[in-house]
This record gives sequence, structure tokens and C-alpha cells, in this order.
Amino acid sequence: AQTVTQSQPEMSVQEAETVTLSCTYDTSESDYYLFWYKQPPSRQMILVIRQEAYKQQNATENRFSVNFQKAAKSFSLKISDSQLGDAAMYFCALLVSGAGNMLTFGGGTRLMVKP
Amino acid sequence: DSGVTQTPKHLITATGQRVTLRCSPRSGDLSVYWYQQSLDQGLQFLIQYYNGEERAKGNILERFSAQQFPDLHSELNLSSLELGDSALYFCASSGQVQFFGPGTRLTVL
Repeated sequence: AQTVTQSQPEMSVQEAETVTLSCTYDTSESDYYLFWYKQPPSRQMILVIRQEAYKQQNATENRFSVNFQKAAKSFSLKISDSQLGDAAMYFCALLVSGAGNMLTFGGGTRLMVKP
Repeated sequence: DSGVTQTPKHLITATGQRVTLRCSPRSGDLSVYWYQQSLDQGLQFLIQYYNGEERAKGNILERFSAQQFPDLHSELNLSSLELGDSALYFCASSGQVQFFGPGTRLTVL
């Protein structure tokens, strides 16, 4: 069975500053993918960034980047130059290939951005 | 816009009733996933269909069932509804990158 843990229920960041959201996961499989999804007040689930476990290079999407530490089973999200529109719930998720491809989600981190 | 559509957006019903939630995947996607987001259980996988066949089951109650039709749209049927079934139900499509629909908010009174 897979588990995903987000230990920070809430985080706060000043506009234009950088914030890092933490995520740890557990799986015995070697072929898997990790994701960060954003859920703004509209409740829509929006894909932020994706990381393949076999890739050593950390994924980057504009102001969003990850720190993937495979041995430690850690997958943190860094948001640079935070904007008011970044305020949302952020979910870390794990997908194990071949095991139905379903997503296992962490409990989420609520990010507040202060102007 | 993810390309995944869900109807209705909101549903209010009473305990003991039955409802049907509908999802249309992105054009060309054969897989449909259903997830439930509730305050106490978080986001949970319910069931997956691929090209009309059930592929995987998660924590789906026996009172819940789903199917995928030849045109690839999917329906999630919830029966004998209880207060605890109140939640946001998401449909997602594609495979290793899942794109989510806007969700159906179900309120059971």
C-alpha cells in the first residue's frame, strides 16, 4: 500500500517571497510518479508539477520547482516569487505505475499569501 | 479548462435517496477515475474504468457503483444516501497525468 504525508496543515508566505511545502511518501514500488496539485477556493484540482521517479533531475515549471529526494522518499514543492493567486490548498500525490494508476493523496497544505 | 466535464455541479438530496453523477473524459482519453473529497476522509480514490471495463477499485462503498458507456462517458451511482456521503466527487481522465473535472458537490440532508 502507498501512503503520502503532508506534515504542514497550514503555511504562510509574504507576497514575492519563497515558500517550501513538504511531502513524504512511502511505496515499495520502483516505477512511480509524484505530483503536486493546487486546489483554489473554486475547488478545481489543477496540476502544478510532475516528477518521474526514474529521473534524477528535479522538475521545474516557471516559479514552481520540486526537491525530489528518492532515498529519503521526500518530495517538496518550492514556490518562488509568491503571488496572491498562489493562495490555495496544495496536495501531494503518488501514482504507482501498473497498480491501477490511481492517485494516492496527502492531507493537503493550506497556503496563505500575505500582501 | 481541463477538458473533463462533470454534471451536475451541485446536488442536494435527502437521506435514503439515489443520485447519478456524470462525467465526460477529455477527448481521446479512455480512462476515467472517480475520487471523493470529504472533510474527514480527504481525497480518496473510488474506482477506475478503462474503455468500458472496470480496472481498479478503491475505498468504494457497496452502495456506490459506476459504469463507463461506449461513448466513454461515465456515471457514478450513489444509493441509500447517508449524511456522511456529503462530499465533492471528482472525475479525472487520462493515465499517468490525471486531469480533473470541476467536481460535483453532493449535499445529503
